[in-house]
Amino acid sequence: DAKTTQPPSMDCAEGRAANLPCNHSTISGNEYVYWYRQIHSQGPQYIIHGLKNNETNEMASLIITEDRKSSTLILPHATLRDTAVYYCIVFLTGANSKLTFGKGITLSVRP
Amino acid sequence: NAGVMQNPRHLVRRRGQEARLRCSPMKGHSHVYWYRQLPEEGLKFMVYLQKENIIDESGMPKERFSAEFPKEGPSILRIQQVVRGDSAAYFCASSAIGTAYEQYFGPGTRLTVT
Repeated sequence: DAKTTQPPSMDCAEGRAANLPCNHSTISGNEYVYWYRQIHSQGPQYIIHGLKNNETNEMASLIITEDRKSSTLILPHATLRDTAVYYCIVFLTGANSKLTFGKGITLSVRP
Repeated sequence: NAGVMQNPRHLVRRRGQEARLRCSPMKGHSHVYWYRQLPEEGLKFMVYLQKENIIDESGMPKERFSAEFPKEGPSILRIQQVVRGDSAAYFCASSAIGTAYEQYFGPGTRLTVT
């Protein structure tokens, strides 16, 4: 079972930052936090991952709290095409190759 | 660099028939994963394969389902004697190394059993 908790849904205005929270209070020291998203009827898309430090790439930023019990995915300038289900997954790389998807959070970007 | 390819994109089978789903991983990737997404549900892991080997099939139903990833050619997920409950989207993912690090997913095959 997924070891993360996400609110079921949120929305934001186009052009604004979307901050998607995730709780993972039972995360172990060597588990990574991964984010994927699934746009309607498409395959999941890798977004970003991190261990302890904050990470940024061309798609998003990942902020992980110092105690690692929660994280926030930030889409800096949300567009309508960012409307999707976003999954936060904790994962121990090298030991278990299957991704365990929870229910995710549905982000709706409004015009 | 072509992404993960799956075919067919849509497959309709009558109850009792066989379904064969194909997945060609990204170039250079030798690890393949299959996931199933039932209507209105999340994705569930089914099986993880490397070339010619099944590494983890803990998510595969015990009967009627099988998977292979031969030395040459695509990975195949086979469902024998399909039932209506098999109707779902089946996604394949591939990675370059044997972890879930940056698994890249295909567009999926939508199986409808009538």
